[in-house]
Amino acid sequence: ETGVTQTPRHLVMGMTNKKSLKCEQHLGHNAMYWYKQSAKKPLELMFVYSLEERVENNSVPSRFSPECPNSSHLFLHLHTLQPEDSALYLCASSQDERGGYEQYFGPGTRLTVT
Amino acid sequence: GQNIDQPTEMTATEGAIVQINCTYQTSGFNGLFWYQQHAGEAPTFLSYNVLDGLEEKGRFSSFLSRSKGYSYLLLKELQMKDSASYLCAVDSGAGSYQLTFGKGTKLSVIP
Repeated sequence: ETGVTQTPRHLVMGMTNKKSLKCEQHLGHNAMYWYKQSAKKPLELMFVYSLEERVENNSVPSRFSPECPNSSHLFLHLHTLQPEDSALYLCASSQDERGGYEQYFGPGTRLTVT
Repeated sequence: GQNIDQPTEMTATEGAIVQINCTYQTSGFNGLFWYQQHAGEAPTFLSYNVLDGLEEKGRFSSFLSRSKGYSYLLLKELQMKDSASYLCAVDSGAGSYQLTFGKGTKLSVIP
């Protein structure tokens, strides 16, 4: 496989469930990102990891918990979510977390919280 | 704060030229990106401008004026497959790499 992959592609979960989103990049990049994309809103950056170290956390509620075990894998652990958390969650990677490098996005996980 | 503005929707005819504008007010500037996103798919990189001027890449060109906080994406010889959302994103350069995205412009190409 090449590029950035995400699983699952679709997820429906109740507010009391715990689930995890997985992202894997096959590009040899050093930086990985989680974004949230809601209808009629801009892409919102949630977390940035560089070489497995978290470098940014944009005031994301604690019910979202990221994990980066190595530079190729990124997880987003979800628990006690709210209906307003329903959105498309996109993972991305770039060569470096510093400026000037384009980001490569995965296909996203469409999350519905019931 | 950071603010990125672009039109919500545009319609253009196949074979024509369309210009999608983006204005920004950010605390810093380290480059501007344009991404294309087809419905239900991931955004894909189109262009990057960090210096003033026009960058041409095939049918797509992107222009930047840092003094005016303004960029545009120019699409020539429009094709039906160009129907997509076009996202303007600014790297504010505030420490580590953070892209602030606009809401996107949904372009519809009609026959």
